[in-house]
Order: sequence, then C-alpha cells, then structure tokens
Amino acid sequence: LAKTTQPISMDSYEGQEVNITCSHNNIATNDYITWYQQFPSQGPRFIIQGYKTKVTNEVASLFIPADRKSSTLSLPRVSLSDTAVYYCLVGLLGNTDKLIFGTGTRLQVFP
Amino acid sequence: DSGVTQTPKHLITATGQRVTLRCSPRSGDLSVYWYQQSLDQGLQFLIQYYNGEERAKGNILERFSAQQFPDLHSELNLSSLELGDSALYFCASSPRLAGDTQYFGPGTRLTVL
Repeated sequence: LAKTTQPISMDSYEGQEVNITCSHNNIATNDYITWYQQFPSQGPRFIIQGYKTKVTNEVASLFIPADRKSSTLSLPRVSLSDTAVYYCLVGLLGNTDKLIFGTGTRLQVFP
Repeated sequence: DSGVTQTPKHLITATGQRVTLRCSPRSGDLSVYWYQQSLDQGLQFLIQYYNGEERAKGNILERFSAQQFPDLHSELNLSSLELGDSALYFCASSPRLAGDTQYFGPGTRLTVL
C-alpha cells in the first residue's frame, strides 16, 4: 500500500520558490507520482506527473530521486493565487488500494 | 474547465433518504472515478468504472452504489443517508483504465439534515 506523507502546511511569500516534499516509502515499480492542486470547494486540478528523475511543465517541476521513495514538487515564483492544498498521489491508477490521496499540504502565500 | 460535468451542484436532503448524483466524463474518456471529501476525512476514493464495468473499489459503503451507462455517464446512488454522509462528492475521468491523469468535475455538495 503506497501511502504518502506530506507536511500539513507551508507558508511562503510572493515571488519565492516553494518546494513541497512527499514521502512514499512503499512505492511499487509500476507506480506513477502525480500532484494535484485544490482550491476550496473545487475539484482537484492536475499539476504534474512523473515516474523518475525530473519532469518540468509550464507551472511546476517534479524531482524524483533514484530510489523513488520521495518526490518534490517545486513551484517557481509563487503568487497569491497559488494558495491552495497540494496533494501527492502515488499509484498505478486503476488498481484497488492504489488510489490514495495524501493528507495534502496547505500552502499559504503571503504578499 | 476540466470538461467533466456534475449535477446537481448542491443537494440538501434528510436522513434516511436516497439521492442520485450524476457525472458526465470528458469526451472520449472511458474511466470514471468517484471520490468523497469531507472535512475530517480528506479525499477518499470510492469506486472506479471503466467502459461500463466496475474496475476498482475503495472505501465505499454498502449503502452506496454506482453504475456507468453505455453513453459513459455515471451515477452514484446514496441510500439510507446519515448525517455523516454530508460531504463534497467529486467525479473524475481519464482516457484509459490506468496510468492517466484524472480530470475532476466541480463536485456535488451533499448536505444531510
């Protein structure tokens, strides 16, 4: 069971880089790592997904070490609108017991 | 806009009642997932359907059931409702059975009085 552990909350200021780490010690060979963003009363929104090493898109980067037991979501130059809950999801989506959202990290960005 | 639609947006009902939540996936997506999000439980996976068949089951109560129809829309049926069933219910869809990004709908807020 690939359970994840994330910090409950983080604070940052506008313009700073934010790194949120997720631990997933029991990740399986075929598991992907996916991060979602959720604003209050809205559905989670896909941010980025990766399997190993580094993945970058227009909004974030995902760093995955060789052992894949953790991953770090990096948000460059955050703004107030990045205030949200960020979830780390590990699993081969579609398998029972694998669809587990972590507790989420509540990121608060201050001006 | 994710392309996933859910109706109704809000639902208020009484204990013991039965309700049906509806989800239309993104065009072309064959997988539909249902999640429950309550204040004290976080986001909990309930069930997944793929092309009309149940494929994965999470923490879904026996009082809850779901189905996916030939046009790929899905319904989540909640019966014998209890106060603790009050929550946000999200539907998500993805193209294939596994390994894809899930796209979430706006959710249905259920309040049981």
